[in-house]
Amino acid sequence: KNQVEQSPQSLIILEGKNCTLQCNYTVSPFSNLRWYKQDTGRGPVSLTIMTFSENTKSNGRYTATLDADTKQSSLHITASQLSDSASYICVVSSNDYKLSFGAGTTVTVRA
Amino acid sequence: NAGVTQTPKFQVLKTGQSMTLQCAQDMNHEYMSWYRQDPGMGLRLIHYSVGAGITDQGEVPNGYNVSRSTTEDFPLRLLSAAPSQTSVYFCASSWTTTNEKLFFGSGTQLSVL
Repeated sequence: KNQVEQSPQSLIILEGKNCTLQCNYTVSPFSNLRWYKQDTGRGPVSLTIMTFSENTKSNGRYTATLDADTKQSSLHITASQLSDSASYICVVSSNDYKLSFGAGTTVTVRA
Repeated sequence: NAGVTQTPKFQVLKTGQSMTLQCAQDMNHEYMSWYRQDPGMGLRLIHYSVGAGITDQGEVPNGYNVSRSTTEDFPLRLLSAAPSQTSVYFCASSWTTTNEKLFFGSGTQLSVL
C-alpha cells in the first residue's frame, strides 16, 4: 500500500529560526511530490511540486528537497515568521494519478 | 476569480438526515474532487470527476453521492448522515488530472449528532 509518513507530528519554533520537516514515502511508481500549507480553518495551498528529476525547489523562504532514490523529501523553512504557523502536508502522486497524503506536520511559530 | 467556493462553512446534522455540500469553481477546471480530513489522518478521496457527466468513486465513497452536470459545480450529497461522517470536507479542482496543482476550497466542517 502506498504510504506517506511525515515527521515530526508537530513542532514549536521561535520567530526568526529555521526548521526542517521530513516526508518519507513508499509510493510507486512515482510521478511527483508536493508540499501544501494549510492554515487553520482553510484549505491546503500548494507550495511546491517536484518531479523525479528535480532535487531542490524553492518558493520564497520555503525550500523543498527530494531524494527519489531513498524516497525522502524535506521542507526547510528559513527565518520563520508568525504567519508560517500552519500544518504542512506532503502529497505524493503516482503515475496512475492517485494521490497519497501525509497526515501533516503542525508548525507553531512563537514570538 | 473566486477559485473554489464551498458552502456551507459549518453544518450540524442529526443522524439520518440528508444534506448537500456545495462546491463551485470558476477556473474552467475539468477535474474536481471531494476529500474528507480527519484528525491524525491524511486527506482521503471520496469521489472525483474528470469532466461534466463523469464521476467515479475514491477511497471512501460509502454514504456519499455526487453528480457533475456542469463543469463548474460538483455537489456532494450525504444520503443518511451517520456520526462517522463527522469530519471536515474539502472540494478541490485542477486543470485536467491530479498530476497538476490542486486548488482547494476553504472546507465545510460537518458534525453529525
